Amino acid sequence: DTGVSQNPRHKITKRGQNVTFRCDPISEHNRLYWYRQTLGQGPEFLTYFQNEAQLEKSRLLSDRFSAERPKGSFSTLEIQRTEQGDSAMYLCASTPIGPPELFFGEGSRLTVL
Amino acid sequence: DQQVKQNSPSLSVQEGRISILNCDYTNSMFDYFLWYKKYPAEGPTFLISISSIKDKNEDGRFTVFLNKSAKHLSLHIVPSQPGDSAVYFCAATGNMLTFGGGTRLMVKP
Repeated sequence: DTGVSQNPRHKITKRGQNVTFRCDPISEHNRLYWYRQTLGQGPEFLTYFQNEAQLEKSRLLSDRFSAERPKGSFSTLEIQRTEQGDSAMYLCASTPIGPPELFFGEGSRLTVL
Repeated sequence: DQQVKQNSPSLSVQEGRISILNCDYTNSMFDYFLWYKKYPAEGPTFLISISSIKDKNEDGRFTVFLNKSAKHLSLHIVPSQPGDSAVYFCAATGNMLTFGGGTRLMVKP
C-alpha cells in the first residue's frame, strides 16, 4: 500500500499524558499537512511542512503541540499534557508540488478521558 | 470566521436523480477549489477540483460549477448511486486547504 499511513489509528489516554502520532506520507511528496477534525466539523488546518521545513502553523496549534518532519519523510505530531478538548481525529495528508490535491491518511483518533 | 461554508448539513436524494451540494466562500483570494468525499472511519478522498479561471469542470458523473461573482460553488452528481452516500466537504485554497463543515448525502435505493 503506497498511500498515506498513520499510526496509531486510535489512542485512548488520560488527561495530562503525552501522546505522539506518526505519519508516513506518499513517497516523494514534498508537502505534508496535519489537520484536526471533530465530530460534525470539517478538517481544521494545524500545520504544514515542505520537505523538513515547517512553513506554517495555525493558531490552533498551542504550545502543547509540536510537529516535526526531521528528514523530510515521515512526520510526528506530539501533544503534551493532553486535555479533554484535544479529543479529535488527527489527519495527515501529503501532496507533491503543484495543485494542492491532498491525499489523506485514515487518521488517528485521540480520546482523552 | 468561517471562510468556507456548507449551509446544508444533510441531503437526501433518490437513486438515479441528481444530487446538488452547495458551498459558499468569503475569501476572494482563494484560487483553487476542491471537493472531498469521506466515509466513516476513513480519511477524506479527493473527488474533483476547479481552478478559479474556470467555471465548470466535469469528471464522469461529477461536475463542479464555480460562480466567482457570487463566491459560490456546487457539486452535481448525476445519476446518484447508493454508493455515493457519504459526507462531502468543499475546500478552497490559497496557501493551504480550508474546509467547509460538510454535507451528509444519503442516496436512497
